[in-house]
Amino acid sequence: GEDVEQSLFLSVREGDSSVINCTYTDSSSTYLYWYKQEPGAGLQLLTYIFSNMDMKQDQRLTVLLNKKDKHLSLRIADTQTGDSAIYFCAERRRRALTFGSGTRLQVQP
Amino acid sequence: GAVVSQHPSRVICKSGTSVKIECRSLDFQATTMFWYRQFPKQSLMLMATSNEGSKATYEQGVEKDKFLINHASLTLSTLTVTSAHPEDSSFYICSAGKTIMNTEAFFGQGTRLTVV
Repeated sequence: GEDVEQSLFLSVREGDSSVINCTYTDSSSTYLYWYKQEPGAGLQLLTYIFSNMDMKQDQRLTVLLNKKDKHLSLRIADTQTGDSAIYFCAERRRRALTFGSGTRLQVQP
Repeated sequence: GAVVSQHPSRVICKSGTSVKIECRSLDFQATTMFWYRQFPKQSLMLMATSNEGSKATYEQGVEKDKFLINHASLTLSTLTVTSAHPEDSSFYICSAGKTIMNTEAFFGQGTRLTVV
């Protein structure tokens, strides 16, 4: 995942908003994704955004894409303890995905 | 969403034996599936692209004779780790998309392989 970078850790209080950031390097990426992984489990697709979009909102999740800066963010509103997990951003160039290193989100009660 | 099922979820095997991991798309057909490997506290690395009815495409550095992939039907791909060694211990995850362009990639629950 060296082409997709994320910060490793984020801690927030329950009820606050969480913002997880990601940068990527390939401007030809067509879709960008956010996945959630809980301990010992597979990946759950949270949301994805097409590269010609700036923003996508889905309930508590808001994705912002700055294509010029190759920056992607995921905002989780009203963060709950159940949101504690590792969040991966990923880009799709061909058909497979390239993943970032993952951000561990810890939600404090 | 769509359902991708992996089996087994955990397996422990002895060095030198082979282990088969199955990846099934339960409610859709997938001409292409992908196999990833995840080391502890690390990201997912693409190992190979599994193509129904043809040979898999392996990423650089992945031994195709060690990680045998078979995609015999539109709903099943298998990964066989042959002559397993302790360094093959890892979390293996497959994914599949509903469309040929894999716009929405759905993942299995993963298989934790431990080689002793």
